[in-house]
This record gives sequence, C-alpha cells and structure tokens, in this order.
Amino acid sequence: GEDVEQSLFLSVREGDSSVINCTYTDSSSTYLYWYKQEPGAGLQLLTYIFSNMDMKQDQRLTVLLNKKDKHLSLRIADTQTGDSAIYFCAESIGGGGNKLTFGTGTQLKVEL
Amino acid sequence: NAGVTQTPKFQVLKTGQSMTLQCAQDMNHEYMSWYRQDPGMGLRLIHYSVGAGITDQGEVPNGYNVSRSTTEDFPLRLLSAAPSQTSVYFCASSERVPTGNTIYFGEGSWLTVV
Repeated sequence: GEDVEQSLFLSVREGDSSVINCTYTDSSSTYLYWYKQEPGAGLQLLTYIFSNMDMKQDQRLTVLLNKKDKHLSLRIADTQTGDSAIYFCAESIGGGGNKLTFGTGTQLKVEL
Repeated sequence: NAGVTQTPKFQVLKTGQSMTLQCAQDMNHEYMSWYRQDPGMGLRLIHYSVGAGITDQGEVPNGYNVSRSTTEDFPLRLLSAAPSQTSVYFCASSERVPTGNTIYFGEGSWLTVV
C-alpha cells in the first residue's frame, strides 16, 4: 500500500517493549488495524482503534493514534519470542466494507 | 465453524493456464474482497463486491475476473496465468458497516505460476 508506510524491520530483546510505527494518508479512515502474520500463515487481527480515539490498551498491546500527524503506533510490552512475526497496519478506505489499505509490514525479531 | 473458506490452499499453474480460487463465507456478509500479498508489499486489493451481482475493481485488478452470483461465494478467476501472478491470495468478508473486529480473512491461497 503506497499510502500506508511502515519501517521494514525491528529487532528487540526479549522482555523489552517493541514499538512499531505506521503513517497513513486517508483522513477519512474510520478504523485502523494491526494484524500479525507468522511465517506461512494467514492474518491475525491483533487490535484496532476507531478514528475518534487517541489510545486503546488491550493487555500487552497499546495503540496510539495521532490523527493530526496521521500516525499510528503499536506498543508490545514485555516482548516474547512468540511475538516474532510481521506486523501490518491497515486503514479502512472508501467509506465502508472491507476495503483496506495495508502497510508494507514490519518484521519484528525478538532476540534472547 | 463460521468463517471464510478459501480453496485451494496451494496451487501450481503453468503460464497460460486458467484457474479459479474459491471463497465462501457463511456469515451472510454483504461485502467480500480479494487481496494479493507479495513480499515486501503488504496486501493489495484486487476486486471487491458490496453485494450479490455487484463487483468493482481494486488497486490491482488486471489479469483477474470476479463475479458474485450469491451472497456466500466470491470466486477469483485467472483466465491466463502469468508468473507475475505468483502470490498469496486472501479473501475477506464483512458486514456493510463493519466494526473493528468484524472483517474476516480466509487462511490464504498460495499460488505459483511457472
């Protein structure tokens, strides 16, 4: 998705926090999503945030949304080796349904 | 189990062959869509449908046809496969106005064109 940008790689030590960043361009997005993809597997919805919210926390996951800067972040607390995967942010486009624009994905590597 | 079912999971085609990727959902969702995933590029929308009999193009529609004769099914057809269509394909469905957790993805179809 050319309109949604993410850094390609992130490496962290086990137990540290991970922060994955995303910038998007469609100011009319209603929902923004974070998906996790493990090798050879499909997409797992991790969390999502409605566009009128600034923050959402769900156990180890914290999503921050800055609408002014069109910036979305996902913080994973106490990162574990099982968190190693590719993380995609996505924005809903076109006013409804499941038309999503995805970022290129950030590969998270968790080292011991 | 309710959800989105894609078949086949794996397929190898020769250049020029045709095939259909099947997608079915049993949640009575109006919206269905097809994405392809290529390395380093995330998922890109191929075609989508807002209801039976209605389809439209997404970001990368060339080389693919779709139809939506029923609410449940949304097949993706490759009429003459090309190596550039080697990819992982995902089907998704949702309600007309989805809340955050009501977009459902299939498990993916891995297609290789040689």
